[in-house]
Amino acid sequence: GQQVMQIPQYQHVQEGEDFTTYCNSSTTLSNIQWYKQRPGGHPVFLIQLVKSGEVKKQKRLTFQFGEAKKNSSLHITATQTTDVGTYFCAGVLRDTGRRALTFGSGTRLQVQP
Amino acid sequence: SQTIHQWPATLVQPVGSPLSLECTVEGTSNPNLYWYRQAAGRGLQLLFYSVGIGQISSEVPQNLSASRPQDRQFILSSKKLLLSDSGFYLCAWSHGGDTQYFGPGTRLTVL
Repeated sequence: GQQVMQIPQYQHVQEGEDFTTYCNSSTTLSNIQWYKQRPGGHPVFLIQLVKSGEVKKQKRLTFQFGEAKKNSSLHITATQTTDVGTYFCAGVLRDTGRRALTFGSGTRLQVQP
Repeated sequence: SQTIHQWPATLVQPVGSPLSLECTVEGTSNPNLYWYRQAAGRGLQLLFYSVGIGQISSEVPQNLSASRPQDRQFILSSKKLLLSDSGFYLCAWSHGGDTQYFGPGTRLTVL
């Protein structure tokens, strides 16, 4: 069935290192959203990308939406301990009749100080 | 501004007991409402979503049910809990396919 996968499932980095998580869908997405969930907390919306090839930046975070609108990435430059958490991508699968967001499996980031 | 409430925050229930989790949204009307379950260290599993009063779509067959008695109230229920029902239950709202705003969640432990 249609699903949204993320890799890696888990990454452990030293503070100051870069981090990237990749999101891949089996179906074209109408848009892609990214959420962050801190340990013990609930997911919080970070950003939405709509256009093919779109790139957006939020301070040290860079988000990209693929040309085919089937994949996306989140890159964090020079990680900090405040970046710890699980990052989820989510999108509306086009041409499926499904109106709800489909969430990716998530990437858990651990940052060693 | 919009806020979303969930209660209780934590719950410990014996196997076979009933369940009722409540979610309410303030500051918006006609929201889409969602129930998710998250097992420890895992992703978000969509259980139910609702686009209006009395309209519930079930994503996964299970012993849980959902109801939406009022526009901004969403209830998750079970008649008999199973051990596998343990998890972190999250309610969320949105308008259309837009951003979802999550409540603080309920941690359910079934013993």
